[in-house]
Amino acid sequence: DIVMTQSPSSLAVSAGETVTINCKSSQSLLYSGNQKNYLAWYQQKPGQSPKLLIYWASTRQSGVPDRFIGSGSGTDFTLTISSVQAEDLAIYYCQQYYDTPNTFGAGTKLELK
Amino acid sequence: EVQLVESGGGLVQPGASLKLSCVASGFTFSDYWMSWVRQTPGKTMEWIGDIKYDGSYTNYAPSLKNRFTISRDNAKSTLYLQMSNVRSEDTATYYCTSGRALFDYWGQGVMVTVSS
Repeated sequence: DIVMTQSPSSLAVSAGETVTINCKSSQSLLYSGNQKNYLAWYQQKPGQSPKLLIYWASTRQSGVPDRFIGSGSGTDFTLTISSVQAEDLAIYYCQQYYDTPNTFGAGTKLELK
Repeated sequence: EVQLVESGGGLVQPGASLKLSCVASGFTFSDYWMSWVRQTPGKTMEWIGDIKYDGSYTNYAPSLKNRFTISRDNAKSTLYLQMSNVRSEDTATYYCTSGRALFDYWGQGVMVTVSS
C-alpha cells in the first residue's frame, strides 16, 4: 500500500495567517501517461463529513475559495491556505488515488491560537 | 441537490453481522461508481471498497475483503455494505461516497460500535 505521511499533525494559527500543510507519499503519484498527480485534499469541519477541496494535486473543486492552493508533484505535496479564516478550522487530509487501496494521510488539525 | 443518507448502524456484538444502507438522491445513481470509507474514533480514514455503476465489479481493501461485501440496487438508488464477523477494530463512522478513487460527495455517516 502507498503510505501517506502528513505534517504537522496539528497547527495553531491566528486569523489572517498563511499556513502550509505537507503530505508525502511513499511512492510517486505522478502518472507518466498523462502527467497528472493522483493526489487529493479533503477538509473535515467539526461534526461534518469530509469535503473534497482539491484534486490532481492542484485543481480546486467547484466552489472552493481561491485561498486554498494545492501544489507539488511526485512524492511531495503541499496545501497552502492563505489568510486563514475562522471557518477554515478543520482537519485536512491528503489522499492518493494512484493505486488501490486508496490511502489517506493521518490528517492535520488546524486550530485557532 | 446531491444527498447520500446512510442507515443501519448501531451497537453490535463481536462476531455478528450488520448491513448498512445508503440512499442516494439528486443525481443519476446508476451512472456512478460508489464507495464506502470509514473513519475510526481516532479520526483515521480508511477506504473500504467500491462498486461499478452497474454492480458488475467490486474492489476491496485487502484487509477487509473477506468480511465486507458491497452491493447496490440501482432501482432503489441504494448502496449497501454487508459486514460480517465484526471486530472491535471495525468500530467507526461509515461513509457512503460517490466516485471510485476521488470522493466528491459524502453522506453524513453512520456509527458502528462493536462491543460486548
